[in-house]
Amino acid sequence: EAGVAQSPRYKIIEKRQSVAFWCNPISGHATLYWYQQILGQGPKLLIQFQNNGVVDDSQLPKDRFSAERLKGVDSTLKIQPAKLEDSAVYLCASSLNGGGYEQYFGPGTRLTVT
Amino acid sequence: QKEVEQNSGPLSVPEGAIASLNCTYSDRGSQSFFWYRQYSGKSPELIMSIYSNGDKEDGRFTAQLNKASQYVSLLIRDSQPSDSATYLCGSSGTYKYIFGTGTRLKVLA
Repeated sequence: EAGVAQSPRYKIIEKRQSVAFWCNPISGHATLYWYQQILGQGPKLLIQFQNNGVVDDSQLPKDRFSAERLKGVDSTLKIQPAKLEDSAVYLCASSLNGGGYEQYFGPGTRLTVT
Repeated sequence: QKEVEQNSGPLSVPEGAIASLNCTYSDRGSQSFFWYRQYSGKSPELIMSIYSNGDKEDGRFTAQLNKASQYVSLLIRDSQPSDSATYLCGSSGTYKYIFGTGTRLKVLA
């Protein structure tokens, strides 16, 4: 069974530029999560999708971050414009159906904003 | 603010010893608990999940849950240098899925 796929693996941009990350969850997983992990901290949930609907985006900085999961499968997270403090690893995870199920993480995208 | 708290460590144990990692959570509505291992520069990898009070064993790993005390622990028996990593505790229930900041474990050869 294929795991969670993410791309790109690394990205370096200048502040005020835009960037997009892509995630393809494990086949059949209804729930998809985007996390931000700053060095030395635990993952922070940015947004949670159940199929193609948003369950929780309370910690998503909506003035600059956006995310979509149009067909209930793969998802895109966008940052526009980027700030220095957005430098982090962006992790995508999926679970079978909701928060009570085990999550499986993709390899992550390491973003550096200069 | 619902939280999951872990001692950041590092927790150093000699090879072959038992490593004990602890986690407390504040949301009494939490029903599901997870332990993940994260090597430096890698993404979290699921080790174990636990949903009921008591112990759950899987190989060298034992997870323990005490809902009355809001306490979760992970025991690693016969610790190996390859177990050196950061261990993340996560909970899920009434509120969003929440992770602790992780405990860094160092197993000394």
